[in-house]
Amino acid sequence: QSALTQPASVSGSPGQSITISCTGTSSDVGGYNYVSWFQQHPGKAPKLIIYAVSNRPSGISDRFSGSKSDNTASLTISGLQTEDEADYYCSSYTGSGTNTVVFGGGTKLTVL
Amino acid sequence: EVQLVESGGGLVQPGGSLRLSCAASGFTFSTHWMHWVRQVPGKGLVWVSRVNSDESTTNYADSVKGRFTISRDNAKNTLYLQMNSLRAEDTAVYYCAKDRVAGSGSLDCWGQGTLVTVSS
Repeated sequence: QSALTQPASVSGSPGQSITISCTGTSSDVGGYNYVSWFQQHPGKAPKLIIYAVSNRPSGISDRFSGSKSDNTASLTISGLQTEDEADYYCSSYTGSGTNTVVFGGGTKLTVL
Repeated sequence: EVQLVESGGGLVQPGGSLRLSCAASGFTFSTHWMHWVRQVPGKGLVWVSRVNSDESTTNYADSVKGRFTISRDNAKNTLYLQMNSLRAEDTAVYYCAKDRVAGSGSLDCWGQGTLVTVSS
């Protein structure tokens, strides 16, 4: 149950777009369309912003989008806003007999 | 309003036990997979366990397998995590979360978390 790999930090200016990658294996990210992305502000519980690779829950801005290619999933945030500054985590269902969920290590987004 | 409220955290000695509860409201609890996720303050999220709607399927992270037990009472709309043989490395904030897609980890509602501290 190794954690998915995310960059430790990314940054961007207001109005710009950024992309956060999430790399796994064929047993998790590459094998299932069950990648989720979560946003967490300091001292708060995580919030689901993308599920099933590219689906947005109700109320989530369309500035957030998700995609996947082979064993790597990506979260893109367009039109960066100061309130987007937070930690972002990806997760994936893992099969191959384990039937568990694995998270990435998290990415700190700084909006300069 | 969909809401999850955890309770039961606290200070426990190494080797001790603790039972966490998660009271659910605002949705049909009995039809959803539920999960526990933990987070050491200042660190990342770590998945702990999941249970399906009728408790016929449970899964655990390797780090807690054999020590933690997830369960639920659909009549009481409550999720539980029984934690035995606790270790210092189990110290974390524990969140319960609701899954919107059949155990996949699409966790669309989280509680506020309850802090478990394992220390002598």
